Amino acid sequence: NAGVTQTPKFQVLKTGQSMTLQCAQDMNHEYMSWYRQDPGMGLRLIHYSVGAGITDQGEVPNGYNVSRSTTEDFPLRLLSAAPSQTSVYFCASSTGTGASLGTDTQYFGPGTRLTVL
Amino acid sequence: AQSVTQPDIHITVSEGASLELRCNYSYGATPYLFWYVQSPGQGLQLLLKYFSGDTLVQGIKGFEAEFKRSQSSFNLRKPSVHWSDAAEYFCAGGGGSYIPTFGRGTSLIVHP
Repeated sequence: NAGVTQTPKFQVLKTGQSMTLQCAQDMNHEYMSWYRQDPGMGLRLIHYSVGAGITDQGEVPNGYNVSRSTTEDFPLRLLSAAPSQTSVYFCASSTGTGASLGTDTQYFGPGTRLTVL
Repeated sequence: AQSVTQPDIHITVSEGASLELRCNYSYGATPYLFWYVQSPGQGLQLLLKYFSGDTLVQGIKGFEAEFKRSQSSFNLRKPSVHWSDAAEYFCAGGGGSYIPTFGRGTSLIVHP
């Protein structure tokens, strides 16, 4: 099992550019999520999905889009990059669904470090 | 609202000394509580978790945590710290249909 994989590891964008951060998992997990990590702020939830075709907003969704067409993949799209989106982005997955969303271990990818100039 | 608080941003200990990292939670019911570790440049890895039963939970790498309902705490401990334990530690809480929330993290610095 590769677990949770993320690409790219590093990315530099100019303000206004768009891009997609890729996330894939091979554990057949229904729940997937995206976090951003900023110094002193911990992990903040951007978007999450409880299964293919179902997504919802987290704490800081503005400026980001997601879709979930398959169980394995959960890409995060930056529509028009801004310097405030400079951060480290983590994708995570777990077996939790519905009534067990908050009970299961989350498995994290290695992260994507994004810089927006 | 459900929340998790880690009061210490940084903790510095000497190698071989004992360690306690604090975590306080605010949940209506008995929460599911987790500790994760993030080594430099890496993603988060589960150290241990608690959801019922024995309030002292053993984890990987020699870590343990104790759930204290009366103090709304779930502190992480290790009797003797190794230099390789230097990392960022996150407490998280969840339960039922509540999406897990993370504390802001505590950075552990280990002096030789």
